[in-house]
Amino acid sequence: EAGVTQFPSHSVIEKGQTVTLRCDPISGHDNLYWYRRVMGKEIKFLLHFVKESKQDESGMPNNRFLAERTGGTYSTLKVQPAELEDSGVYFCASSRKIGWNYGYTFGSGTRLTVV
Amino acid sequence: DAKTTQPTSMDCAEGRAANLPCNHSTISGNEYVYWYRQIHSQGPQYIIHGLKNNETNEMASLIITEDRKSSTLILPHATLRDTAVYYCIPNNAGNMLTFGGGTRLMVKP
Repeated sequence: EAGVTQFPSHSVIEKGQTVTLRCDPISGHDNLYWYRRVMGKEIKFLLHFVKESKQDESGMPNNRFLAERTGGTYSTLKVQPAELEDSGVYFCASSRKIGWNYGYTFGSGTRLTVV
Repeated sequence: DAKTTQPTSMDCAEGRAANLPCNHSTISGNEYVYWYRQIHSQGPQYIIHGLKNNETNEMASLIITEDRKSSTLILPHATLRDTAVYYCIPNNAGNMLTFGGGTRLMVKP
């Protein structure tokens, strides 16, 4: 099966601009997660979708971040306006369903650089 | 979430077994122990998980102590491609993963 796909792989934007990251989970996976790693820090959870609904968005840093999951398929994470501290690698992961006792599959990430 | 303690770094000779320990003394009864790794510039990769029995798959073996307060991930024949940061993560199925600092494993020729 195809893996989790994220694009773009890299994005360089200026402070104040808007960037939209996209994640295509594995087909049929209900759960979709966003994580990020900022420079020198640990990987941190951002939010969790179950199908099209936000199950847990406790990790979203502030209201400049907006995540959507259209029709329970792909997801987008928009940062508007971007700040310097938003730089980092953003990972998406998916798993089949709640209670699925197997690991999550992660994408390769989007490296975001805000200058 | 249960807190974990892992060595910051470890070295292993290529072809030898790599044994990576993890303490998770506050793990709750319904939490599994998951192991992931992150190879440089890639996304985290699931390795193995277990509840209380030892587990083995094509990538690794997982040994969990009887009291479930610690576990050891074993890579039986480490290769250079196993150089990565390894994370031990107690987790209930479907919940968010809490990554700590992990163990940086360096496999040397």
